[in-house]
Amino acid sequence: DAKTTQPPSMDCAEGRAANLPCNHSTISGNEYVYWYRQIHSQGPQYIIHGLKNNETNEMASLIITEDRKSSTLILPHATLRDTAVYYCIVREAGAGSYQLTFGKGTKLSVIP
Amino acid sequence: NAGVTQTPKFQVLKTGQSMTLQCAQDMNHEYMSWYRQDPGMGLRLIHYSVGAGITDQGEVPNGYNVSRSTTEDFPLRLLSAAPSQTSVYFCASSYGTGRGTDTQYFGPGTRLTVL
Repeated sequence: DAKTTQPPSMDCAEGRAANLPCNHSTISGNEYVYWYRQIHSQGPQYIIHGLKNNETNEMASLIITEDRKSSTLILPHATLRDTAVYYCIVREAGAGSYQLTFGKGTKLSVIP
Repeated sequence: NAGVTQTPKFQVLKTGQSMTLQCAQDMNHEYMSWYRQDPGMGLRLIHYSVGAGITDQGEVPNGYNVSRSTTEDFPLRLLSAAPSQTSVYFCASSYGTGRGTDTQYFGPGTRLTVL
């Protein structure tokens, strides 16, 4: 699986959009970009994933650059409950692909 | 659905003791896995199973055994606990289609301390 690079920490004001970047310059054509988050040592929680098109769900939006070498997770109106460690994971889409490889992620602090 | 459940929530062991961490899911998921998370680190895969009767090793399998006799349960056994196994253990499950679009669901974790 391709490796990802994320900033170790970020701050965001409550009510503003949080934009979390991820670099995955070695991503291959059949690899998805996944985002999970972990709130205060709880189990990781799935947020969103995408292949090459931008995606949106009730939690967030995922913007993937046209060359697929980087992506941005957007939390449109951050709340204090969004304070967490956010993991960007690149995962192979082929048969037999099960493992999630977690890095250290980005610690997002939402400030009142 | 209860989702993925883990017991116990906390456990303290002495070096050399053995124990079993329990994991169960009620979503009829084929794929289940165990991760460990050390302080300030991401999760690392210990063992996984793609269905009842089938298990395989992950990144850090030494010192742990698993079995999968039913779809619902995937226990993790520590054979002889060592201080290096002090960690938080997470169980996860997914439908296990084997494609990268599987969403994995995680349990709340078991916090293990080995003295």
